[in-house]
Amino acid sequence: DIQMTQSPSTLSASVGDRVTITCRASQSIGVLLAWYQQKPGKAPKLLIYKSSNLQSGVPSRFSGSGSGTEFTLTITSLQPDDFATYYCQQHDIYSLTFGGGTKVEIK
Amino acid sequence: EVQLVESGGGLVQPGGSLRLSCAASGFTFSTYAITWVRQTPGKGLEWVSTIGGRGIFTYYAESVTGRFTISRDNSKDTLYLEMNSLRAEDTAIYYCAKANGVLTGFLDVWGKGATVTVSS
Repeated sequence: DIQMTQSPSTLSASVGDRVTITCRASQSIGVLLAWYQQKPGKAPKLLIYKSSNLQSGVPSRFSGSGSGTEFTLTITSLQPDDFATYYCQQHDIYSLTFGGGTKVEIK
Repeated sequence: EVQLVESGGGLVQPGGSLRLSCAASGFTFSTYAITWVRQTPGKGLEWVSTIGGRGIFTYYAESVTGRFTISRDNSKDTLYLEMNSLRAEDTAIYYCAKANGVLTGFLDVWGKGATVTVSS
């Protein structure tokens, strides 16, 4: 199975900050990586797919990049609604492994 | 509106069985793979199982292989997860999610989840 490793596990930031989350795959997955946002008590929500494609309706302050084994999710100007947990997920093979999550907290 | 709605969760004793359902609407159900993902309280997301659009191909996480069975009825736009020999570690919120492809892919639509508690 492909292992996904996210860092950091927790991130403290302020409104307006630029935030970057990293995800590493144990083997190359091309660009087949997705990012999800999850708020407490809610289902995950797709933000980015195929590494850098913004899902419809997602604000443009979210962006993704990377290929092979290293990927990043960037939020250019953190908004109050963005405090949540973020997960990466490879969608290269059928066992859709997720990263451990990054909780973005208010500083 | 594209929607997935899970049902069938509840409290079950260790060793018991439970069947989850996931009713779909708003899209051509048979065209897409559907996946079950679970989340243990306070923990991360774990892929459980995926079934291809036509129901021919099924895939399982090692942790549930031999105990869980995924199936779908495309005439009813409904997905199922039959869970047997349940263990305490199967306690979780179970989400069904639509993949963007017929066999796999990123998950673009999620249900709200069904809670399964395995306890005596």
